[in-house]
Amino acid sequence: ETGVTQTPRHLVMGMTNKKSLKCEQHLGHNAMYWYKQSAKKPLELMFVYNFKEQTENNSVPSRFSPECPNSSHLFLHLHTLQPEDSALYLCASSSARTGEQYFGPGTRLTVT
Amino acid sequence: GENVEQHPSTLSVQEGDSAVIKCTYSDSASNYFPWYKQELGKGPQLIIDIRSNVGEKKDQRIAVTLNKTAKHFSLHITETQPEDSAVYFCAVRGGTSYGKLTFGQGTILTVHP
Repeated sequence: ETGVTQTPRHLVMGMTNKKSLKCEQHLGHNAMYWYKQSAKKPLELMFVYNFKEQTENNSVPSRFSPECPNSSHLFLHLHTLQPEDSALYLCASSSARTGEQYFGPGTRLTVT
Repeated sequence: GENVEQHPSTLSVQEGDSAVIKCTYSDSASNYFPWYKQELGKGPQLIIDIRSNVGEKKDQRIAVTLNKTAKHFSLHITETQPEDSAVYFCAVRGGTSYGKLTFGQGTILTVHP
């Protein structure tokens, strides 16, 4: 595996379910990000982790809970979501040295 | 915070023509300006970037120019091909934000054969 991988690629969940999104980066980076991409909206930054520490939370509702156990893995735990949370969730990682940020393929989430 | 405006929102060209997408930003301390290409069903792909100490950068058919005084930068694609059709996003890293990028709204580029 190379680059940034995300699983699952597609997820359908009910409003009362609990699920988790997984991201893994194979680039040796030390920063990881979660973004939300909705139709006709720019990319919305949700969370930033640097060296496993959360450095940014962009007023994200508590039904989204991130976890970063090490610099290579990032999770987004989901519970009691709303239909408006349906979107493409993108993970990215970057190098402190170059600042170049690379994205995974995303998880297409549908909340029913 | 940083404010990034991207124009146009849609761009339609004939194969072989050039395409130009422009972004303006607000933070004069911004120092890194990447461009991403997003194809249907995929994540954004970094295609070219420029740093604040450089005015222009080229990579084959794509180029980026930066005007720090006017606080705008542009993506230029020459000899467009149908496979260039995608959504293009500009982004800006502010002077005080560690790694954080602010993205433009995106441009849907369609190249007609």
